[in-house]
Amino acid sequence: ETGVTQTPRHLVMGMTNKKSLKCEQHLGHNAMYWYKQSAKKPLELMFVYSLEERVENNSVPSRFSPECPNSSHLFLHLHTLQPEDSALYLCASSPLGGDYGYTFGSGTRLTVV
Amino acid sequence: DQQVKQNSPSLSVQEGRISILNCDYTNSMFDYFLWYKKYPAEGPTFLISISSIKDKNEDGRFTVFLNKSAKHLSLHIVPSQPGDSAVYFCAASALGSNYQLIWGAGTKLIIKP
Repeated sequence: ETGVTQTPRHLVMGMTNKKSLKCEQHLGHNAMYWYKQSAKKPLELMFVYSLEERVENNSVPSRFSPECPNSSHLFLHLHTLQPEDSALYLCASSPLGGDYGYTFGSGTRLTVV
Repeated sequence: DQQVKQNSPSLSVQEGRISILNCDYTNSMFDYFLWYKKYPAEGPTFLISISSIKDKNEDGRFTVFLNKSAKHLSLHIVPSQPGDSAVYFCAASALGSNYQLIWGAGTKLIIKP
């Protein structure tokens, strides 16, 4: 148990589907992140929430929509995705500042068909 | 433009020998560097870090060296063990960036018995 729980672990969705990824942490961290990991590429930061407020949105297409209802939960809502969006989506949390000890979830392996 | 580069996609080392993983960066504003380790189907886990005011940090079998003039850091693992087989990511952050960790693409380390 890493302290950051992501569900589901695997997701296959069609391009017209709507689905959501869920992330939950009970580490008392105040910052939460969504990362995308594609094969042989660096981790790409997608969104950052600090104290439930979005502070970073790295030019992510609008078909990805984050939601942070409280400091323990983070969602990534997906709609009309493309096959190239297939990747591992990782959630992470950290104390404010982020320099120390990001804790990652195990990720959701997303396949868009 | 990748600010953090791990030029070796993979590295194979004999069990018991030293593993050396390298990372280069281009942004002179980076002041904190981290190494993460990732097993398949799991999120990255924090391994070791170093501040730019130091040139070496050691934790058990793991030592990170920082050469600021060369903008280069390396992770040494000695002796290498089969459980060290994983993908290793180098990451860097700049003072005041708070939320942004810039990641390398990772190096897959394979420890041969």
